[in-house]
Amino acid sequence: SQQGEEDPQALSIQEGENATMNCSYKTSINNLQWYRQNSGRGLVHLILIRSNEREKHSGRLRVTLDTSKKSSSLLITASRAADTASYFCATVLAGGTSYGKLTFGQGTILTVHP
Amino acid sequence: DGGITQSPKYLFRKEGQNVTLSCEQNLNHDAMYWYRQDPGQGLRLIYYSQIVNDFQKGDIAEGYSVSREKKESFPLTVTSAQKNPTAFYLCASSKGWGSGSIGEQFFGPGTRLTVL
Repeated sequence: SQQGEEDPQALSIQEGENATMNCSYKTSINNLQWYRQNSGRGLVHLILIRSNEREKHSGRLRVTLDTSKKSSSLLITASRAADTASYFCATVLAGGTSYGKLTFGQGTILTVHP
Repeated sequence: DGGITQSPKYLFRKEGQNVTLSCEQNLNHDAMYWYRQDPGQGLRLIYYSQIVNDFQKGDIAEGYSVSREKKESFPLTVTSAQKNPTAFYLCASSKGWGSGSIGEQFFGPGTRLTVL
């Protein structure tokens, strides 16, 4: 099964509301990253949080990481219609043969209604 | 402009044919990656390369082959041995792994492959 699993699978909100997406993983990580994908396009990196960090901000984005629960959340504040996209978490494992590789979750589809 | 380009954007293949997807980057990145994305799914790693003339299998390498003869290029061949090749293929690159911490990957626009 996937290293990262996201919840919810789909989220529909109104413009101006906040959107929260969660990601859980199974094994120790070096870092966790969030990406956005607009329909039929490539992925765009949003934010990276290292295993020794608990919270990180970038503009309207806030990411938290709880390594004891092996989970992360992405909060988008004051959402806009342009935020409509799929959001993926991806983990880089801490060591072993998988070191350095990104493992993606299945994503959360966010729809922001004007 | 710096970035990653993939071509073609759409590709149609008959069963039994090999096809090659192009990926070029001018970001001077050492590492390059190929992913496959199926509808409603996340990305799965096919092959990756940390340096020129070296590459490793990812999680779903069967039926695919790659080469890394130049730093800026990492073409992917989908062979006839790949049983279900219809998918969206994404190429990515990143800085080298030597620092001990893996950073962001930069993605191309993707190639949508359809087997007829």
